[in-house]
Amino acid sequence: GAVVSQHPSWVICKSGTSVKIECRSLDFQATTMFWYRQFPKQSLMLMATSNEGSKATYEQGVEKDKFLINHASLTLSTLTVTSAHPEDSSFYICSASAGRDFAFFGQGTRLTVV
Amino acid sequence: DAKTTQPPSMDCAEGRAANLPCNHSTISGNEYVYWYRQIHSQGPQYIIHGLKNNETNEMASLIITEDRKSSTLILPHATLRDTAVYYCILGGNTGKLIFGQGTTLQVKP
Repeated sequence: GAVVSQHPSWVICKSGTSVKIECRSLDFQATTMFWYRQFPKQSLMLMATSNEGSKATYEQGVEKDKFLINHASLTLSTLTVTSAHPEDSSFYICSASAGRDFAFFGQGTRLTVV
Repeated sequence: DAKTTQPPSMDCAEGRAANLPCNHSTISGNEYVYWYRQIHSQGPQYIIHGLKNNETNEMASLIITEDRKSSTLILPHATLRDTAVYYCILGGNTGKLIFGQGTTLQVKP
């Protein structure tokens, strides 16, 4: 199957700093990428949908100024958690779709804010 | 988005078939049934999907009822490595997936 890679796999940052997570589709062009967040013992929650070259669409309740999404190319989307706080600690997962099929997921990024 | 209903947990003996049910009585005509699984602390892994017909691949089989209101994922010979949370999700072909709580499958020796 297609490969979607996230970087980093885990990150620890200080409260108040910003963290950038990258999501790359390695062997296909992703017209759409999705960002999810997952808290312990809970299911994945869709945060936003990003299309290459356009602004991301955020789900209700997700702060767009806090979670900045950039989808600059057909193979790369980034999620920046700005002014991170301990409550932002979570497992962040991206997925990528070629627009005609199902989505492939990255391995996830574990963010810990201390 | 239409919702699905899955049992919260199931057990299966190693080597036996695991049959995971999913109800989706409000499915619309152009919605697919997708199955993904998530092993602890990893991203979800695609298993299989279908629209109307039954589907089979190297991982599993998907049986969809004629009225499309329910489906069953079959892992023919479950192994310990199949222990995971299995998600049944309805969606179009855009890649956008709304996850429910899924079924935690425990494969036991």
